[in-house]
Amino acid sequence: KQEVTQIPAALSVPEGENLVLNCSFTDSAIYNLQWFRQDPGKGLTSLLLIQSSQREQTSGRLNASLDKSSGRSTLYIAASQPGDSATYLCAVRPGGTASKLTFGTGTRLQVTL
Amino acid sequence: DGGITQSPKYLFRKEGQNVTLSCEQNLNHDAMYWYRQDPGQGLRLIYYSQIVNDFQKGDIAEGYSVSREKKESFPLTVTSAQKNPTAFYLCASSLWTDTEAFFGQGTRLTVV
Repeated sequence: KQEVTQIPAALSVPEGENLVLNCSFTDSAIYNLQWFRQDPGKGLTSLLLIQSSQREQTSGRLNASLDKSSGRSTLYIAASQPGDSATYLCAVRPGGTASKLTFGTGTRLQVTL
Repeated sequence: DGGITQSPKYLFRKEGQNVTLSCEQNLNHDAMYWYRQDPGQGLRLIYYSQIVNDFQKGDIAEGYSVSREKKESFPLTVTSAQKNPTAFYLCASSLWTDTEAFFGQGTRLTVV
């Protein structure tokens, strides 16, 4: 059974810092991996989708990498801003019949002034 | 604007009642999903549908039911058989089952 772990569970950094959020998964047979952002009491916003054949994806100040063989993905946020404060979730989709996203429990990020 | 609309935002249910959560999308996506989110836990899949008139149970389908009569709509009914229904419910859709998933803003259900 696929398990997804995100460490740390919470992180506080001063504005302007570059930071890395980690996601690990137990079954490397994935089809793709998706990073989301969730603000308190809100739905999920898709940030980046990485296919299993890709090593990384970039969108603005965000860069996500994928090392499928070691079961790890990282989300790099450059020059963090207070508006980046949110919970970040990663989710993996299996190979084969796909369909089901398995989620980690998230990293709660606070960027302070 | 294209997107996924969930309603209502907040819902209160008495013990023993069935309630239905609405999810509508205008993205022309084939696949739709319902997830449940509880504090300190990851999102868990309740039901998903790959195409109209077809749906599959997820990991925690007991006490829930769905229908998919139209491509744009995937309502979730929380029945009285669901032992612990208080949670945040999220609906999602994707073009197909292996493409990028998009989420609605969620419905918070509370049993009173």
